[in-house]
Amino acid sequence: EVQLVESGGVVVQPGGSLRLSCAASGFTFDDYAMHWVRQAPGKGLEWVSLISWDGGSTYYADSVKGRFTISRDNSKNSLYLQMNSLRAEDTALYYCAKDYYYMDVWGKGTTVTVSS
Amino acid sequence: NFMLTQPHSVSESPGKTVTISCTRSSGSIASNYVQWYQQRPGSSPTTVIYEDNQRPSGVPDRFSGSIDSSSNSASLTISGLKTEDEADYYCQSYDSSNHAWVFGGGTKLTVL
Repeated sequence: EVQLVESGGVVVQPGGSLRLSCAASGFTFDDYAMHWVRQAPGKGLEWVSLISWDGGSTYYADSVKGRFTISRDNSKNSLYLQMNSLRAEDTALYYCAKDYYYMDVWGKGTTVTVSS
Repeated sequence: NFMLTQPHSVSESPGKTVTISCTRSSGSIASNYVQWYQQRPGSSPTTVIYEDNQRPSGVPDRFSGSIDSSSNSASLTISGLKTEDEADYYCQSYDSSNHAWVFGGGTKLTVL
C-alpha cells in the first residue's frame, strides 16, 4: 500500500524553527518528486515546496522562500521540511504529497502551530 | 503569476448535475494541465480529475473535467449527485513562469 506519514508538527513560538518529516512506503521513493502543501485552519490548500526525485531541484512558494528548506534522503525514503523564522501565518496542517504529474498520493498531515 | 478563482460555494440536490468553475486570471488555461482535488471534512485531498479531463482509477465516471479557452476556465462537472460528493473541491495548475503549483481557493459543494 502506498503511504505517506508526516510527523514533527508541534506548537512553536514566533521566530522559532521546526523540521517536519514525511516517511514514504509502498512505492519506489526515489522515482518521484515530492511536494509539501499546507492548509491553514478553515482555509484552502496552499502549495509550499517541491523537490525533484534526486534533490537536485527545489522550488518554493514566495510566502516561504528564504525561510523554509525542502530536502530528502532517498536511502531512508524520507522527505523533510526545515522551517525557520516561523510566523503566525505559518500555522497550518502540513501535507506531503507524491508527484506523478499531479499530486496523486497525500499523507494525513501534521499540525504546526506558531504561537507565543 | 496567475490566480485560479472558484466560486466559494455551490449547492444542488441529489441526483442532479453541478458544475464548478475555475477561472485563470492571466495566461491561457490551456497552457498547463488542470487538476481537481476533492477534500471531504476531516480528510486529506484526493484527486478526482487530472490533466484537464482524466479520471484516476476508482473515480466514478460521474466526475468529468473540461477546459474552455473562450472563458479561460476549467470546469468540474459531477452528475447524478450523491450525498457522499459533499466536499470541498480545489482546482490546481502549474505556473511554469515561476515554477509554482497554484491552487484555486476551493468550492464547498453541498448536496441537499
